[in-house]
Amino acid sequence: QVQLVQSGAEVRKPGASVKISCKASGYIFTNYPIHWVRQAPGQGLEWMGWINPGTENTLYSEKFQGRVTLTRDTSATTVFLEMTNLRSEDTAVFYCARDPTFNDYFDSWGPGTLVTVSS
Amino acid sequence: DIQMTQSPSSLSASVGDRVTITCRASHTIDNFLNWYRQKPGEAPQLLIYTTSNLHSGVPSRFSGSGSGTDFTLTISSLQSEDFATYYCQQSFVTPTFGGGTKVEIK
Repeated sequence: QVQLVQSGAEVRKPGASVKISCKASGYIFTNYPIHWVRQAPGQGLEWMGWINPGTENTLYSEKFQGRVTLTRDTSATTVFLEMTNLRSEDTAVFYCARDPTFNDYFDSWGPGTLVTVSS
Repeated sequence: DIQMTQSPSSLSASVGDRVTITCRASHTIDNFLNWYRQKPGEAPQLLIYTTSNLHSGVPSRFSGSGSGTDFTLTISSLQSEDFATYYCQQSFVTPTFGGGTKVEIK
């Protein structure tokens, strides 16, 4: 079955960077885009961007363009999100999610990675 | 960006109730509207995609309708596991989510 396993919680100081991972299994990794969605504490869902693991093509929300980089390691069937210049308002749970049809909806989600930005 | 507005932002209901949640887009999105349920402390789960298609394994008490800018999620008979927050999401252009509707126990 499709499974997305995410890396553990991270704590960073303002201005630092973080790189979190999402390991996929149970399907052909290169056939399906992976999206990233974040959720600040007590808040709603915010789309950040996606990566096509087959081609490494990416698309980012304008809000995160230049501060977020999505990459993948096909041998490890893993996608990575790196975010730079962190600020306190970036404290959130970051979810990876699979797109089953290249139509920008998400049928399987990882459990989330909490990133806390605090001095 | 296309803005998605859900209503109500919260509601109280009982097990067995029929519940309707609406979602309005700031511009037409054809039928590119999806619904998710998020239980506390968990990741969202896909319920319905492209307005009215039930995702695999989702109970038939969930249904969706609408087109253009106005959409509806209906739960025909609320169950205990349905007390959660529901989000709509448009996939017509770069994805955006509604603000959520929290369904609480009356």
